[in-house]
Amino acid sequence: GAGVSQSPSNKVTEKGKDVELRCDPISGHTALYWYRQSLGQGLEFLIYFQGNSAPDKSGLPSDRFSAERTGGSVSTLTIQRTQQEDSAVYLCASRLPDRYEQYFGPGTRLTVT
Amino acid sequence: AQSVAQPEDQVNVAEGNPLTVKCTYSVSGNPYLFWYVQYPNRGLQFLLKYITGDNLVKGSYGFEAEFNKSQTSFHLKKPSALVSDSALYFCAVRARGNNRLAFGKGNQVVVIP
Repeated sequence: GAGVSQSPSNKVTEKGKDVELRCDPISGHTALYWYRQSLGQGLEFLIYFQGNSAPDKSGLPSDRFSAERTGGSVSTLTIQRTQQEDSAVYLCASRLPDRYEQYFGPGTRLTVT
Repeated sequence: AQSVAQPEDQVNVAEGNPLTVKCTYSVSGNPYLFWYVQYPNRGLQFLLKYITGDNLVKGSYGFEAEFNKSQTSFHLKKPSALVSDSALYFCAVRARGNNRLAFGKGNQVVVIP
């Protein structure tokens, strides 16, 4: 079946611009996660959505970062006034409510120039 | 707090030889443990997990891992490595009652023909 999809696959933006990254989870997966993967680093948790519950935003690095999940499905991660240190691969993952393993999308590579 | 240590940046192994990728974790209480693999320019793929029960868990592509509570370890193993196993391997831990995964920095595995 279809996996987690993310768009765009690559995004180059100028410092100070806003960007939106999109994630389409696997159908039926009520849990959705955003992570950031920087070169030579592990994955950094950003935000977690579960059904209609309030999201866990505790991993967002600054108030320039925000995320929404509309209709319990598609999610958008928004980064305002991008900085060079925001350059990274942004990964989305989803999970069935009664399972433990997460399934990851291919990621969006963000480059801030 | 929960954390994972993957002490080796890179593991080199000859094709056909046993492969071991080390992981130790720190978490309060009993952990959920996971291994993921990342091929170049791809998202993470789930390999296996330990939730409860048998300490030896088997996963995809002939991989297995052993949970050792006294040593707080969850090393990944494969009896006979293939060149196609060359990839980046991530260990992750989640405390029971916590929704987020903590990932290690990853181990680059290079299988030499």
